[in-house]
Amino acid sequence: GAVVSQHPSWVICKSGTSVKIECRSLDFQATTMFWYRQFPKQSLMLMATSNEGSKATYEQGVEKDKFLINHASLTLSTLTVTSAHPEDSSFYICSAYGLASGNEQFFGPGTRLTVL
Amino acid sequence: EDKVVQSPLSLVVHEGDTVTLNCSYEVTNFRSLLWYKQEKKAPTFLFMLTSSGIEKKSGRLSSILDKKELFSILNITATQTGDSAVYLCAVRERANAGKSTFGDGTTLTVKP
Repeated sequence: GAVVSQHPSWVICKSGTSVKIECRSLDFQATTMFWYRQFPKQSLMLMATSNEGSKATYEQGVEKDKFLINHASLTLSTLTVTSAHPEDSSFYICSAYGLASGNEQFFGPGTRLTVL
Repeated sequence: EDKVVQSPLSLVVHEGDTVTLNCSYEVTNFRSLLWYKQEKKAPTFLFMLTSSGIEKKSGRLSSILDKKELFSILNITATQTGDSAVYLCAVRERANAGKSTFGDGTTLTVKP
């Protein structure tokens, strides 16, 4: 299957700082990337849908100014958690979808964010 | 609002047992239903179902979709400890390419 990478795989930061997470599709062009958040023992919650070259579409209740998403190329989308607080600590997972991915979305390995 | 409900929420079995996991959904503009297995990291894809009544099979795992009754089941036969994981069901809309709504998952524990 197609390969999606995320970087970093884990990050610890101080409250008030910003953290950038990268999601890359390594062997196909991702026209659409999705960002999910998963709290312990809970399911994946979609945060936003990002289409290459256009603004992301955020789900209800997700703050656009806090979770900045950029999808500047067909292989890279970034999520920046601005002014992070301990309640933002979570597992952030991206997935990528494109015509060459066989009509399937492939997940990255996730990024564990801990805000102290 | 799209809704995906999985049952049971958790299940404990012994090696060799057969388990059936359930997923029911309410989605406007249904496109497909997907099953994933999640261990410690991100989910890994198991099956994608689009048509009713056609069983998909991969080794000891199989799944089927009923679009009339709006549910799907995932069967695992002869379970092994390596099957212990959270099994997620997701439903994809016809619009919004790839956008999926996930259920809460079923946590399966297989004891030796």
